[in-house]
Amino acid sequence: DADVTQTPRNRITKTGKRIMLECSQTKGHDRMYWYRQDPGLGLRLIYYSFDVKDINKGEISDGYSVSRQAQAKFSLSLESAIPNQTALYFCATSGYPNLETQYFGPGTRLLVL
Amino acid sequence: AQTVTQSQPEMSVQEAETVTLSCTYDTSESDYYLFWYKQPPSRQMILVIRQEAYKQQNATENRFSVNFQKAAKSFSLKISDSQLGDAAMYFCAYTNGAGNNRKLIWGLGTSLAVNP
Repeated sequence: DADVTQTPRNRITKTGKRIMLECSQTKGHDRMYWYRQDPGLGLRLIYYSFDVKDINKGEISDGYSVSRQAQAKFSLSLESAIPNQTALYFCATSGYPNLETQYFGPGTRLLVL
Repeated sequence: AQTVTQSQPEMSVQEAETVTLSCTYDTSESDYYLFWYKQPPSRQMILVIRQEAYKQQNATENRFSVNFQKAAKSFSLKISDSQLGDAAMYFCAYTNGAGNNRKLIWGLGTSLAVNP
């Protein structure tokens, strides 16, 4: 079974809709991250969380929000989706003893029409 | 600011041959980590290899090895005995080793084709 799972794997939505992407992990890691990947721009960090009570903005947090429901769950919400949020979204985790090493989920491909 | 540069947008290799992907980085830190990730067509981001800057020995994982040149700030990935399943985008990434803000800095990737 995958250590880091993301749901849904693919999503099509319309401009203005609120959507949630979910991430779960069984690695026992405290740290969780949300990235988006766009062609030619690489991966960019949206939000990260070092534990359940810790949430931090990344480099492109505008238009996004997150919720850390438990150590194993970290959700990303688009409050009002817009077409330029069309991208591939990744969740990642890291933890002891190698805090710097991130392990990624399978990704969610989001299309905003 | 730290940066990661992959100067080869695309490369190709014959099956069973060896290929080397280049990565250079810029940092003023002395304690950091470097990574190679693989992204096949399935789009999963898979950790290939990890190098700790304070270790002089180059990391190896089966057919994958790195040539870490700290003074030159170079971190190349060598794939030996290339297989069709090695075809993917390969990303080089850096993070510093101190403090809590261990943000990953990414290169833009190298697309590797493996020819049968």
